[in-house]
Amino acid sequence: GIQVEQSPPDLILQEGANSTLRCNFSDSVNNLQWFHQNPWGQLINLFYIPSGTKQNGRLSATTVATERYSLLYISSSQTTDSGVYFCAVERIGNTPLVFGKGTRLSVIA
Amino acid sequence: KAGVTQTPRYLIKTRGQQVTLSCSPISGHRSVSWYQQTPGQGLQFLFEYFSETQRNKGNFPGRFSGRQFSNSRSEMNVSTLELGDSALYLCASSSQGSNSPLHFGNGTRLTVT
Repeated sequence: GIQVEQSPPDLILQEGANSTLRCNFSDSVNNLQWFHQNPWGQLINLFYIPSGTKQNGRLSATTVATERYSLLYISSSQTTDSGVYFCAVERIGNTPLVFGKGTRLSVIA
Repeated sequence: KAGVTQTPRYLIKTRGQQVTLSCSPISGHRSVSWYQQTPGQGLQFLFEYFSETQRNKGNFPGRFSGRQFSNSRSEMNVSTLELGDSALYLCASSSQGSNSPLHFGNGTRLTVT
């Protein structure tokens, strides 16, 4: 099946710092989504981004489908950004989303 | 618009018992997917239902089953529980399944003793 690799696995930031999270995938995809899981376990959809660039406040994401990677940018990080960020991809052909192992982000005040 | 609702939030069961988890999708969403999350295996796909039909199934034993009702609400059942079934079970809904954003509920945390 398709492989989804996220890096780095862990990241510690001082409040106010910027960061870039990466997601590489091994096959062509129909869609790619980024999620944030907060410390209470709730998974929030951040972006639905099969290609191109999107921005939502301090967060933005870019997917380069032809090169099989996506980037999530977090600017001016806040303690509430802490949690695990997951990338998930769907292969062409109405297949279920496959999740990466996530990047665990800790933002320290 | 209400989000995805899962009940119950927490469950403690004994090995060998069975359990049923419930999920109500976002109004208007016809696709419901179930995922199992464990520290060791991460998020693993269980199955997806669309308009009462199972459209995709993950690599789980037959003890795991599900169904979807005409109002799009879904249930999943695990029979003959094993210790390894302890996990966070997450339900997600989307308008179409493929090529549409997935929205998750808060999950049901199942502990098998």
